[in-house]
Amino acid sequence: DGGITQSPKYLFRKEGQNVTLSCEQNLNHDAMYWYRQDPGQGLRLIYYSQIVNDFQKGDIAEGYSVSREKKESFPLTVTSAQKNPTAFYLCASRKPGPSGNTIYFGEGSWLTVV
Amino acid sequence: DAKTTQPPSMDCAEGRAANLPCNHSTISGNEYVYWYRQIHSQGPQYIIHGLKNNETNEMASLIITEDRKSSTLILPHATLRDTAVYYCIVRVSNFGNEKLTFGTGTRLTIIP
Repeated sequence: DGGITQSPKYLFRKEGQNVTLSCEQNLNHDAMYWYRQDPGQGLRLIYYSQIVNDFQKGDIAEGYSVSREKKESFPLTVTSAQKNPTAFYLCASRKPGPSGNTIYFGEGSWLTVV
Repeated sequence: DAKTTQPPSMDCAEGRAANLPCNHSTISGNEYVYWYRQIHSQGPQYIIHGLKNNETNEMASLIITEDRKSSTLILPHATLRDTAVYYCIVRVSNFGNEKLTFGTGTRLTIIP
């Protein structure tokens, strides 16, 4: 089945370390996104990419980096510059359609800084 | 994007229809109504969306009032697995950054 796969599901990081969250999709979608969700809060956009080798900052890009070398993959690196990285991270991709675009999400990755 | 208002919580008996309301009185003509749900510790799941006509799919029905200022998501035969937080989102569906604004949603509890 087609879908969006995020890994790992749970990740613990020591302060000062960089970590990379994986996001793979086999939906043949051009656009991909990374969101952050804090407990009891809505989603905030970190980065998005509309096409291979191109990406744009979202609302909270500081302390994060991404790459888009392949259509299927959009990894997110949480750097040591991110001051409060503990959160639930969601990867998504966009399906275009004649009656409106639809965003589909992966299952998410929990990152905890210890 | 237009602001939406949803009740914070609702209960529904298993097997009954769950009707979740959403007010979006400031909606513009080119804004769609989207519904997602999120089960704890999982990614949001797309349910349905519409512009002005009522829509139905295998998961739910979406009823949009004629003036488009409110809508109702209907889960026709609720099961325990439908317990989740349901988000109503109004936005322009165009190509570009997808700043989905999820509010606090409605926490729906299906009661056995």
